Amino acid sequence: GQNIDQPTEMTATEGAIVQINCTYQTSGFNGLFWYQQHAGEAPTFLSYNVLDGLEEKGRFSSFLSRSKGYSYLLLKELQMKDSASYLCAAMDSNYQLIWGAGTKLIIKP
Amino acid sequence: NAGVTQTPKFRVLKTGQSMTLLCAQDMNHEYMYWYRQDPGMGLRLIHYSVGEGTTAKGEVPDGYNVSRLKKQNFLLGLESAAPSQTSVYFCASSHPRLAGDFNEQFFGPGTRLTVL
Repeated sequence: GQNIDQPTEMTATEGAIVQINCTYQTSGFNGLFWYQQHAGEAPTFLSYNVLDGLEEKGRFSSFLSRSKGYSYLLLKELQMKDSASYLCAAMDSNYQLIWGAGTKLIIKP
Repeated sequence: NAGVTQTPKFRVLKTGQSMTLLCAQDMNHEYMYWYRQDPGMGLRLIHYSVGEGTTAKGEVPDGYNVSRLKKQNFLLGLESAAPSQTSVYFCASSHPRLAGDFNEQFFGPGTRLTVL
């Protein structure tokens, strides 16, 4: 079966760094997406990885290891507005997204 | 540009009632999707469309029907609502996947549906 695992909830301090992990098992693989979703709002796209390695985009970076079925999202210099859920999604061989349940990130001052 | 819009934003139904959720996008996207989001679970694909006049079943299609008569609109219908269909429904759209590119999905604001 197809499965995405990520922690349910994480807590971090304003100004710090946090890493959100995601492991995936899919039938085929065509890339890994990260989305941000604030409470009561729509998911918005953060990053896409299809090759092994780190993609950096400002305060956010995303890493992929295809051999390990593993990705992480790294958030630096945390701000209160980063409090949100972070959704990991893997694209399978049919180009359909398989979504994790999301990681709720709580930022404390 | 409004992006992806959904109507209504909230709705309460009684068991057995029917309703239609409307999704519209102004980005000229070929692909459109309907998802449901439930607590503790990932987004689950209900139906999707890869072009005007075409639809296909996703992971959880039972109890729902869809239509894509115009490229910019994607309708989700519930013929006989059940309490298990209480959820938040998101519509999304994207360009087709092109070689060497990825097709990020753009989401609407969601419809919060309660079935009593």
